[in-house]
Amino acid sequence: DAGITQSPRHKVTETGTPVTLRCHQTENHRYMYWYRQDPGHGLRLIHYSYGVKDTDKGEVSDGYSVSRSKTEDFLLTLESATSSQTSVYFCATDSPGTALEQYFGPGTRLTVT
Amino acid sequence: QQQVKQSPQSLIVQKGGISIINCAYENTAFDYFPWYQQFPGKGPALLIAIRPDVSEKKEGRFTISFNKSAKQFSLHIMDSQPGDSATYICAARRDSNYQLIWGAGTKLIIKP
Repeated sequence: DAGITQSPRHKVTETGTPVTLRCHQTENHRYMYWYRQDPGHGLRLIHYSYGVKDTDKGEVSDGYSVSRSKTEDFLLTLESATSSQTSVYFCATDSPGTALEQYFGPGTRLTVT
Repeated sequence: QQQVKQSPQSLIVQKGGISIINCAYENTAFDYFPWYQQFPGKGPALLIAIRPDVSEKKEGRFTISFNKSAKQFSLHIMDSQPGDSATYICAARRDSNYQLIWGAGTKLIIKP
């Protein structure tokens, strides 16, 4: 997984509670991404970061926020979890200009009851 | 214009057979076309990629065929093995736009 870890790996939470997922990389990659993966939809981009404190929205950003205070850490927060946010969440990194390959973490399976 | 359409959604192939997965795109500005392989419980990992200046790229049993005029590219897995059973996801990207546009994925099952 190219030095990318995600925590927690599994989480069950109740509707309405805030949840924070963490992505940590040791590759010193400039770009970091949060995706969700659902059957029939494939990978959908939630938010991405192109540097410390520089973030932007993806195609499914409603209900999610992100923060990046250090190059190696990218946090995804579900402000008030809903059942529609039950999914597998993947963090990914890459460094445009050096390689186009995107590296993925092992994923977090989130269940909102 | 930003979509990448992938088919089929699922595929069952006998061991030793050829697996073929197809993707189509609209945006002619795309110039990098990777295929990712994802095993259950794991993140996707780059399998093979192609640029539009070549029509075919082969790495072992895996081949990408690229048809620029038809705006299509496909993954061929020769002599398919049970260990190839995974989800295969195509994507496309522009050099100047750092976001990958993803296909919906194909779940491939190789029957022994």
